[in-house]
Amino acid sequence: DGGITQSPKYLFRKEGQNVTLSCEQNLNHDAMYWYRQDPGQGLRLIYYSQIVNDFQKGDIAEGYSVSREKKESFPLTVTSAQKNPTAFYLCASTQLGSSGASNTGELFFGEGSRLTVL
Amino acid sequence: AQSVAQPEDQVNVAEGNPLTVKCTYSVSGNPYLFWYVQYPNRGLQFLLKYITGDNLVKGSYGFEAEFNKSQTSFHLKKPSALVSDSALYFCAALAGDSSYKLIFGSGTRLLVRP
Repeated sequence: DGGITQSPKYLFRKEGQNVTLSCEQNLNHDAMYWYRQDPGQGLRLIYYSQIVNDFQKGDIAEGYSVSREKKESFPLTVTSAQKNPTAFYLCASTQLGSSGASNTGELFFGEGSRLTVL
Repeated sequence: AQSVAQPEDQVNVAEGNPLTVKCTYSVSGNPYLFWYVQYPNRGLQFLLKYITGDNLVKGSYGFEAEFNKSQTSFHLKKPSALVSDSALYFCAALAGDSSYKLIFGSGTRLLVRP
């Protein structure tokens, strides 16, 4: 079945360690996104990518890094520079329109990864 | 700054009664608006969207939403609530720039009591 797969679902990290969250999609979508979810704050955009080998910072990119070497993959690294990394992380994707700039389609979300810093 | 507001942290309703979850937006240009639902420890599921056309949009699971341009609102509604509708609901708007990214509200928890 087509969809977005995030792994791991749960992850524990010691302070000072970098961790990488995986996001893979087989929907052939152009654009991929990483959001962070904290209680009462909704979803905040970390990074997004609209094309392979290109990505842009979202609203809260500090302490995070991404890569987009393949269309289907958009891994997120939470670095030791992220001050408060404990959160629920959501990956999403969508198909862009022919102009490449926008589409009217909805985002498809993975099941999320819950990161806890010990 | 572009934003989406959901003024209620929680909405409580009895099963069988109508429900409304409120959303207002502030984005440039013509708004593209969405509603998503999230169950505990799960990703977000798409419910419905407004792009253009009829102000009343129908979506999944009997939900609908009414777009009101003058009030910059996009409230989610359902004529008869079910206990299984209890979840976290997010309103979102497409950012009014050249990129395709969604701006989300803070979420409203819907609790439907039997």
